[in-house]
Amino acid sequence: SYELTQPPSVSVSPGQTASITCSGDKLGDKYACWYQQKPGQSPVLVIYQNIKRPSEIPERFSGSNSGNTATLTISGTQAMDEADYYCHVWDSSTGVFGGGTKLTVL
Amino acid sequence: EVQLVESGGGLVKAGGSLRLSCAASGFTFSYAWMNWVRQAPGKGLEWVGRIKNKIDGGAIDYAAPVKGRFTISRDDSKNTLYLQMISLKTEDTAVYYCTTDYPRFIGSDSFDIWGQGTMVTVSS
Repeated sequence: SYELTQPPSVSVSPGQTASITCSGDKLGDKYACWYQQKPGQSPVLVIYQNIKRPSEIPERFSGSNSGNTATLTISGTQAMDEADYYCHVWDSSTGVFGGGTKLTVL
Repeated sequence: EVQLVESGGGLVKAGGSLRLSCAASGFTFSYAWMNWVRQAPGKGLEWVGRIKNKIDGGAIDYAAPVKGRFTISRDDSKNTLYLQMISLKTEDTAVYYCTTDYPRFIGSDSFDIWGQGTMVTVSS
């Protein structure tokens, strides 16, 4: 079965750039999505089809996907961005999530 | 307002059954491909399964851990998605969410709209 690997945690200082990676075999051949989840809340879509951003998501969120790695980049990270982030792809007709990355802003 | 509301969660013993519902409003439910995603306490997100709309054939796909035990169905006349769960195991304990990419990002296979989730606890 297809697997996605994310780092368990990433730390960033306020105002700096955070990069969260998601690795999988030939991941660049698939469309990757990213979700943000804060404690006690449902996930929120922040990036879809590798690079597209829902209109309500701040411009500081961006995505890329090439080779075996998809990356979620948060520029000018704010305290409110502290959350768990999950990547997601489809492998044939099966949905696959990464294990999640806890972003700490300190 | 586009909304998904799950219900039907609760406490059940291992080996038991439970049916979850997801009521949709604010969009044309019959056009949407619908998914169930779950999250065990303190763990990550796990895709459970998907049902396509009838126009696209209504195909249903399941994750390996639930195949043969869970059944996804839909009643477009009631704007409702269902998840019938049998032979429940303690590892099925999780918050269950329904989700869809419709209507904003139709065809993107993303999960744009999420419900608030319903908790299923399977005791031994």
